[in-house]
Amino acid sequence: DAMVIQNPRYQVTQFGKPVTLSCSQTLNHNVMYWYQQKSSQAPKLLFHYYDKDFNNEADTPDNFQSRRPNTSFCFLDIRSPGLGDAAMYLCATSRQRGHTDTQYFGPGTRLTVL
Amino acid sequence: AQKVTQAQTEISVVEKEDVTLDCVYETRDTTYYLFWYKQPPSGELVFLIRRNSFDEQNEISGRYSWNFQKSTSSFNFTITASQVVDSAVYFCALLIMFSGGYNKLIFGAGTRLAVHP
Repeated sequence: DAMVIQNPRYQVTQFGKPVTLSCSQTLNHNVMYWYQQKSSQAPKLLFHYYDKDFNNEADTPDNFQSRRPNTSFCFLDIRSPGLGDAAMYLCATSRQRGHTDTQYFGPGTRLTVL
Repeated sequence: AQKVTQAQTEISVVEKEDVTLDCVYETRDTTYYLFWYKQPPSGELVFLIRRNSFDEQNEISGRYSWNFQKSTSSFNFTITASQVVDSAVYFCALLIMFSGGYNKLIFGAGTRLAVHP
């Protein structure tokens, strides 16, 4: 089945220790998104790629970076995680950017910062 | 302002009861899309439905039904004969378009539904 895969499902890191979260998709979608969802809150968009075109949300901290080496994979790098970065990180994809395109989400990676 | 309001933070029902989750949205766009997603305890966001602003026809899918009313800017979701497996957080979302051609999902705060046996 075509899907959005996130690895690992659970990640524990130490304060200040860089961490990378992975997302892959078999849907061949052009757009990939990263969301941060803190406990009992709605998902918040961090950035997205339309093909190789990177778009950062204005309020996304510089501590968060992303890479998309090819259509299928997208990575979220947190350079120096703080306690406030503990959250669920959700990857999503959509076929195109337009109005009609539904975003499909992966299972998420729950990040714990010690 | 473009936003989604889900006024019900938590709802608790007993199995087999019907339950309606409210969603009110604000947008200045004439063309827009509305979504409902389900987030079970495992964490993934599961797409349930998409509705565009030109189609006010209500939709039914099994035990799920959606009532879209532009006059009141509402897109409510009803679960008939609820089951324990329906326990989850439900998010209503509005898709808006920005210049440059990219879209953005604006989520409501979510409604946590607990269905008890």
